[in-house]
Amino acid sequence: NAGVTQTPKFQVLKTGQSMTLQCAQDMNHEYMSWYRQDPGMGLRLIHYSVGAGITDQGEVPNGYNVSRSTTEDFPLRLLSAAPSQTSVYFCASSYSGQSSYEQYFGPGTRLTVT
Amino acid sequence: EDQVTQSPEALRLQEGESSSLNCSYTVSGLRGLFWYRQDPGKGPEFLFTLYSAGEEKEKERLKATLTKKESFLHITAPKPEDSATYLCAVSPSGTYKYIFGTGTRLKVLA
Repeated sequence: NAGVTQTPKFQVLKTGQSMTLQCAQDMNHEYMSWYRQDPGMGLRLIHYSVGAGITDQGEVPNGYNVSRSTTEDFPLRLLSAAPSQTSVYFCASSYSGQSSYEQYFGPGTRLTVT
Repeated sequence: EDQVTQSPEALRLQEGESSSLNCSYTVSGLRGLFWYRQDPGKGPEFLFTLYSAGEEKEKERLKATLTKKESFLHITAPKPEDSATYLCAVSPSGTYKYIFGTGTRLKVLA
């Protein structure tokens, strides 16, 4: 049981390049989410999904796209990278329902945009 | 506006010196309040979930409590391995969103 996995661990992009951050979970969780973590700002929700085919925006969605075609995978796409997107990105998953459940986080992707 | 504020920002304790971390929150309704531990370079690790005022949860040297406006994470007789950043998060009613505080960086000295 690998939990939540993220690839790559590190990435350097030039301004204007695009890329996809990968996230997968093997716990059959309905809920998956993406956060960015910046110094002094805490974790901020980018996008989330409550099941395959269902996504919604979080607090800071601009410049990012997501889709959820399977329960296991939830990739995050940067369309045209900007230096302001330099951050550490975390993917998380949890059960979903009327109650609010704890999230399990991946190890993170450290992204630098030059 | 839904908001989470954690204090203090940083805390240095001697080994064995008990203390408490505070998480104040403002939400229209609470689905759940969560405590996580985060070590440098790693993802947050789940500690506790609290759902209603008066609820308490314990795990080893940690105890989390909840009121209608704040939560405390009490650390009893801490050890150097308890050094980490502790994060608080709330999930507001009627949403699937989670709002995190900026964390408390705890350093326990031997």
